[in-house]
Amino acid sequence: DTAVSQTPKYLVTQMGNDKSIKCEQNLGHDTMYWYKQDSKKFLKIMFSYNNKELIINETVPNRFSPKSPDKAHLNLHINSLELGDSAVYFCASSQVFLGNSPLHFGNGTRLTVT
Amino acid sequence: AQTVTQSQPEMSVQEAETVTLSCTYDTSESDYYLFWYKQPPSRQMILVIRQEAYKQQNATENRFSVNFQKAAKSFSLKISDSQLGDAAMYFCAYRSDMEYGNKLVFGAGTILRVKS
Repeated sequence: DTAVSQTPKYLVTQMGNDKSIKCEQNLGHDTMYWYKQDSKKFLKIMFSYNNKELIINETVPNRFSPKSPDKAHLNLHINSLELGDSAVYFCASSQVFLGNSPLHFGNGTRLTVT
Repeated sequence: AQTVTQSQPEMSVQEAETVTLSCTYDTSESDYYLFWYKQPPSRQMILVIRQEAYKQQNATENRFSVNFQKAAKSFSLKISDSQLGDAAMYFCAYRSDMEYGNKLVFGAGTILRVKS
């Protein structure tokens, strides 16, 4: 009964490959997010969807494409992987897209590009 | 300019003692929300405590409490009776419905080490 689950937990792949990370939340939340945590542990938002609609799209390469088939799922597809994409990617959700609605995070996916 | 600043890259505390982690933030808004998240070695991000800026009373969650100084734009986290399980990276975060696109913005984090 994990609240926000993302798969896989670890992903090791070679440069140039295409990969996806899946995320699902069973909290009934309206809003979902993708965050990237770099090697210095700095967390930065990448995307946010509210009721399947893209509402935050940070300056990330267009090789990264989020997809939300329904409000319980937000997947992240990455094309033509590069070494610099190596990081931990966190999915999160919040009840609504408002400041007082805390984010609930998944356990992260550690992506290693070789 | 950095929105959320955590000036202590690392802190250490003896088990059962009290430690305070610092956080300052930059905003021109009067209504916003502040959070502390904990990230243990397991990598999971866990919400520790939150504070609404319109509330004067400092938030408390068991051994965790904050010292919210709105005028000084300061939001420190106090951990009392520290336990080994408190060892983690702690992130301060800011969010406003009116600023920064309503994004949850994190500080750089403080590593907390707990000594037995």
